Amino acid sequence: SQELEQSPQSLIVQEGKNLTINCTSSKTLYGLYWYKQKYGEGLIFLMMLQKGGEEKSHEKITAKLDEKKQQSSLHITASQPSHAGIYLCGADKNYGQNFVFGPGTRLSVLP
Amino acid sequence: DTEVTQTPKHLVMGMTNKKSLKCEQHMGHRAMYWYKQKAKKPPELMFVYSYEKLSINESVPSRFSPECPNSSLLNLHLHALQPEDSALYLCASSQDRGRSTNEKLFFGSGTQLSVL
Repeated sequence: SQELEQSPQSLIVQEGKNLTINCTSSKTLYGLYWYKQKYGEGLIFLMMLQKGGEEKSHEKITAKLDEKKQQSSLHITASQPSHAGIYLCGADKNYGQNFVFGPGTRLSVLP
Repeated sequence: DTEVTQTPKHLVMGMTNKKSLKCEQHMGHRAMYWYKQKAKKPPELMFVYSYEKLSINESVPSRFSPECPNSSLLNLHLHALQPEDSALYLCASSQDRGRSTNEKLFFGSGTQLSVL
């Protein structure tokens, strides 16, 4: 089965600081997704990475997938209070429909 | 329209009640999902429908009964729930995950369910 781990479990940073969240898989990832969730709300899609070494950016968020396709990082530059929430990585458990999530990283950004 | 709409947003029910959660999307997606999320935990897959047929049931108790009346609608019928079933129930859809991986899931905002 596809098991995903995330670190850190939680993170508190001062506004304006940079931060990195990691997602590690026990198996090769065929697609790695990053989602953000506000407490008690739905998930918002951030980015999808497919190829080893791939890197994508959107506004101040950059996600990378390593060459071995077993680890991904999410980097936020100059964090803002609006970045606060739970960041979840996700991947396919098997070919097709069974999509699973990592345990999540809770981010708080202090103004 | 890139939204997945879930109703109701909040639901409180007793253990003897029967209720239904509803999910709707108009993106032409052919795969729809129910996830359950307990507090401070990641979402856990419950059911997947692909082309209106149930394709995955993750050993969910029979007190949860999914239904897909058409390609745009997904229901979750609830009966005789237990207090431990209290959670956020999330619906999602994707283009057609039955045939390929690497498809983005679009999530609704969820129904917060409390079972008394």
